Amino acid sequence: AQSVTQLGSHVSVSEGALVLLRCNYSSSVPPYLFWYVQYPNQGLQLLLKYTSAATLVKGINGFEAEFKKSETSFHLTKPSAHMSDAAEYFCAVTGGYNKLIFGAGTRLAVHP
Amino acid sequence: DAGVIQSPRHEVTEMGQEVTLRCKPISGHNSLFWYRQTMMRGLELLIYFNNNVPIDDSGMPEDRFSAKMPNASFSTLKIQPSEPRDSAVYFCASSYGGNMNTEAFFGQGTRLTVV
Repeated sequence: AQSVTQLGSHVSVSEGALVLLRCNYSSSVPPYLFWYVQYPNQGLQLLLKYTSAATLVKGINGFEAEFKKSETSFHLTKPSAHMSDAAEYFCAVTGGYNKLIFGAGTRLAVHP
Repeated sequence: DAGVIQSPRHEVTEMGQEVTLRCKPISGHNSLFWYRQTMMRGLELLIYFNNNVPIDDSGMPEDRFSAKMPNASFSTLKIQPSEPRDSAVYFCASSYGGNMNTEAFFGQGTRLTVV
């Protein structure tokens, strides 16, 4: 069965600092992986997805993620944090019928 | 496209009352998902449909919960009778289930409060 684990329920960075949000997956088949972002009182919005075409995936708002099979990881990064990046971030893996199995989420705080 | 539309955005009801949440998926999408989000349990998949047929309802917490999809453009999630522990944000999402790498699009959610 597919699952994802997000390390760190809360991450705090300074504006302009590197953002690193960790996600490890477990899958018996080649995985399809996603990162979603949720702003307060909003639904989830897709940041990026891994579909096996390239291991480094670029998404919206300057985020990117690298698929590492040897480490079963799909960590999300952004070189320079902005105040507007403060939100909750969810890693997800696809199960059957395209159902998304989400991690517990990581709340990112950005301080001046 | 207007995206996935959920109604109402907020619902406050008394314990024991029936609650119905509504969802209109994106036109052309053939998979529909209902999720529940709470602080304690995070995002839980309750049920999902493919081509209007319920595929897996193992996430539905108990018999008080039921979901229907009478046609490709409408789904409901009903709770009868409601209880305070049902308070949560309920999300509907849809996708085109052509292949495994298709992302799901989420509605804005319905915040349910049962008092």
